[in-house]
Amino acid sequence: GAVVSQHPSWVICKSGTSVKIECRSLDFQATTMFWYRQFPKQSLMLMATSNEGSKATYEQGVEKDKFLINHASLTLSTLTVTSAHPEDSSFYICSARQARSNEKLFFGSGTQLSVL
Amino acid sequence: AQSVTQPDIHITVSEGASLELRCNYSYGATPYLFWYVQSPGQGLQLLLKYFSGDTLVQGIKGFEAEFKRSQSSFNLRKPSVHWSDAAEYFCAVGASSGFNKFYFGSGTKLNVKP
Repeated sequence: GAVVSQHPSWVICKSGTSVKIECRSLDFQATTMFWYRQFPKQSLMLMATSNEGSKATYEQGVEKDKFLINHASLTLSTLTVTSAHPEDSSFYICSARQARSNEKLFFGSGTQLSVL
Repeated sequence: AQSVTQPDIHITVSEGASLELRCNYSYGATPYLFWYVQSPGQGLQLLLKYFSGDTLVQGIKGFEAEFKRSQSSFNLRKPSVHWSDAAEYFCAVGASSGFNKFYFGSGTKLNVKP
């Protein structure tokens, strides 16, 4: 089946620094990628939807200047947490929708971000 | 290796019939288990989750799931399906601590016949 690779799986950073998380579709083209955030024992929260070649659509309450999303190619989307603070510590997951398919979603295995 | 298997890619049931969606997992640690639903054009919605305690958990929209450790399963059930339940359903497992890894099944698409 299709594979979505998310990197890094775990990152620790100092407060005030920026962290980039990559989401790659390894064997298919993804026109749409989704970024989610999850706090322990809670549901996934959709942060934004990114379409290749256009600006991401952010969900209400998500700071677009804080969470920069780039979807420059059909196989790569990146989420950059800028000027990270301890409250940004969370688990981030991406998913990718295969091109020419409105149905199938494939998920990365997530990135645990810890901001000191 | 950790994995989540949803053996049924597509399922079609008649409205009013009962439903069971299968989920099996392979996970070395104590798992946290989730079922999500995605309706067309929408994001994931959490149906229910299991962390500990009673192995039969109740969720939203009349869904329930039963954790069976001996079978490494967490099947989702609903006694009477409604047409609005047509969607794709994902089973997921996370670590019991830290959530440093999270695994989704490949999804089961549910069609509901009138």
